[in-house]
Amino acid sequence: DADVTQTPRNRITKTGKRIMLECSQTKGHDRMYWYRQDPGLGLRLIYYSFDVKDINKGEISDGYSVSRQAQAKFSLSLESAIPNQTALYFCATGTRGIATQHFGDGTRLSIL
Amino acid sequence: QKEVEQNSGPLSVPEGAIASLNCTYSDRGSQSFFWYRQYSGKSPELIMSIYSNGDKEDGRFTAQLNKASQYVSLLIRDSQPSDSATYLCAVNHSGAGSYQLTFGKGTKLSVIP
Repeated sequence: DADVTQTPRNRITKTGKRIMLECSQTKGHDRMYWYRQDPGLGLRLIYYSFDVKDINKGEISDGYSVSRQAQAKFSLSLESAIPNQTALYFCATGTRGIATQHFGDGTRLSIL
Repeated sequence: QKEVEQNSGPLSVPEGAIASLNCTYSDRGSQSFFWYRQYSGKSPELIMSIYSNGDKEDGRFTAQLNKASQYVSLLIRDSQPSDSATYLCAVNHSGAGSYQLTFGKGTKLSVIP
């Protein structure tokens, strides 16, 4: 089983819909991150969390919100999806004292 | 703005040759440097980390770091077709943001049989 699990793996939806992407991990890591990846733009950080009471905006947080429901769960919401949020979304985890991050398998999101 | 620059490629090398991938970064205080491999449509997979100046070898992979020049490289010896992927350089932020990584846009490597 994957250490970092993202659901759903693929999602197609319409403009204006609310969408939630979920991430859960069994690695016991305290840090969790959400990235999006677009062709030619690389990986960009949306939000990150160091524990359930610590949420921080990343480089491109506008239009997104997050919730850290538990140490092992970190969800990303698009309140009103728009087509330019079509991208590949990755959740990643990290542990205290080490900068290394470990990625989930990703969610491919298409907004029509 | 912290920046990590990579040549986007594609870099084509024949099977068995050495592939050389390069990365420069702007944050002089960065202390941790990573190379991730990403196959098309898949997630990034960590293949090398380096924290000190010099070389670090792991199997066919060698990471090289020069903090004075703000330069990181990855050498892949005896390149195989299975090495064909996009390689992402990642650098941590200095100071209070040290658990954030900035990623380069990646270099696409193609190993020709």
